[in-house]
Amino acid sequence: AQKITQTQPGMFVQEKEAVTLDCTYDTSDQSYGLFWYKQPSSGEMIFLIYQGSYDEQNATEGRYSLNFQKARKSANLVISASQLGDSAMYFCAMREGETGNQFYFGTGTSLTVIP
Amino acid sequence: ETGVTQTPRHLVMGMTNKKSLKCEQHLGHNAMYWYKQSAKKPLELMFVYSLEERVENNSVPSRFSPECPNSSHLFLHLHTLQPEDSALYLCASSPTGAWGTYGYTFGSGTRLTVV
Repeated sequence: AQKITQTQPGMFVQEKEAVTLDCTYDTSDQSYGLFWYKQPSSGEMIFLIYQGSYDEQNATEGRYSLNFQKARKSANLVISASQLGDSAMYFCAMREGETGNQFYFGTGTSLTVIP
Repeated sequence: ETGVTQTPRHLVMGMTNKKSLKCEQHLGHNAMYWYKQSAKKPLELMFVYSLEERVENNSVPSRFSPECPNSSHLFLHLHTLQPEDSALYLCASSPTGAWGTYGYTFGSGTRLTVV
């Protein structure tokens, strides 16, 4: 079974609008971390935001927020006030346990911001 | 400057060639990783080095041979590759031990084409 599922291969959003990128995860661990990465066409994976499984508040980093619904095992990324530079691939990832080395990645969502 | 530098950025090689990919980080991280990114597939973890010891090898064919001479450098030696090995190869680094909010720091990748 897939550990991370991203069901939206491609998304479009108007500049200055908000957009939600979906991510669901599968784990039986109580302790885990959820991450979102951005990959522009240059190839580099850029860390955006982190949510720990024990965090009660949704994580926020500037225009990025993570809508964490633990019971539903979802960790959606919300980008507010989209900018043209937000056009990129976005990957959801999970790390199980406190010290595990491996991250599990989804297949990604391609976001295009329309002027 | 990402903190993790990968060279070369692009590589075209024949199936009988031998080449090496290089990754370098000066972030003080003790773990380094090779990931393979193919179109429409999740990132595939290939190798993990922690404190210069290989701790994970995800059933990668022997035509890929990693080397970690010190905690700042990681190589991926390639020989007799197949066309299906064409992909973006990403190097990443991270601290070891308890993670907290740490994710990976990725390099920009090497786009490999096998002809």
